Amino acid sequence: DVKVTQSSRYLVKRTGEKVFLECVQDMDHENMFWYRQDPGLGLRLIYFSYDVKMKEKGDIPEGYSVSREKKERFSLILESASTNQTSMYLCASIPIQFGHEQFFGPGTRLTVL
Amino acid sequence: AQKITQTQPGMFVQEKEAVTLDCTYDTSDPSYGLFWYKQPSSGEMIFLIYQGSYDQQNATEGRYSLNFQKARKSANLVISASQLGDSAMYFCAMRVGGSQGNLIFGKGTKLSVKP
Repeated sequence: DVKVTQSSRYLVKRTGEKVFLECVQDMDHENMFWYRQDPGLGLRLIYFSYDVKMKEKGDIPEGYSVSREKKERFSLILESASTNQTSMYLCASIPIQFGHEQFFGPGTRLTVL
Repeated sequence: AQKITQTQPGMFVQEKEAVTLDCTYDTSDPSYGLFWYKQPSSGEMIFLIYQGSYDQQNATEGRYSLNFQKARKSANLVISASQLGDSAMYFCAMRVGGSQGNLIFGKGTKLSVKP
């Protein structure tokens, strides 16, 4: 079974804090993604990576950065958390081969006070 | 521009009846994949069904089937014999761009199954 794990299910941080969200997948997938999910807006892509040390901006990268030092790990960083970054964050991975579904982690519900 | 549109923010269905969730897509890429995911209140995203743009037949997985109408650019999800456990958010998504393509998601439809 493919497993995508995220470091926390729930997280509460204060405005201005630096926040790290970690994602690990165990199926040697090349592509990894970070989405945020907000009611009525669906899932919006923040960043993705198709290889170690490679990253691409998604639709809403402002206020976020990412790191991929190892193939299995993709980290999302909020340099200075703000209240408008309160959201559900979902990590996903997918192999290169077309036709496979994306495998999602359980999500991290982040609240910034 | 690539886009997924789900026009039904919320739907109700009676238990044991069938329900169709609408999804239309827009892409100029001839090669793409269409996906449906279910998200219960617990938050995890559960993959339901996949349809490739070159697949001749509509995809089916148990009680789920995908009504793929390529000319109309629609990929509706049909759930037969609804169960109470089907109450959830449902997302339609599209993958384009070959091996590095990310998924583009619709805004979702909240399905409520009534006993």
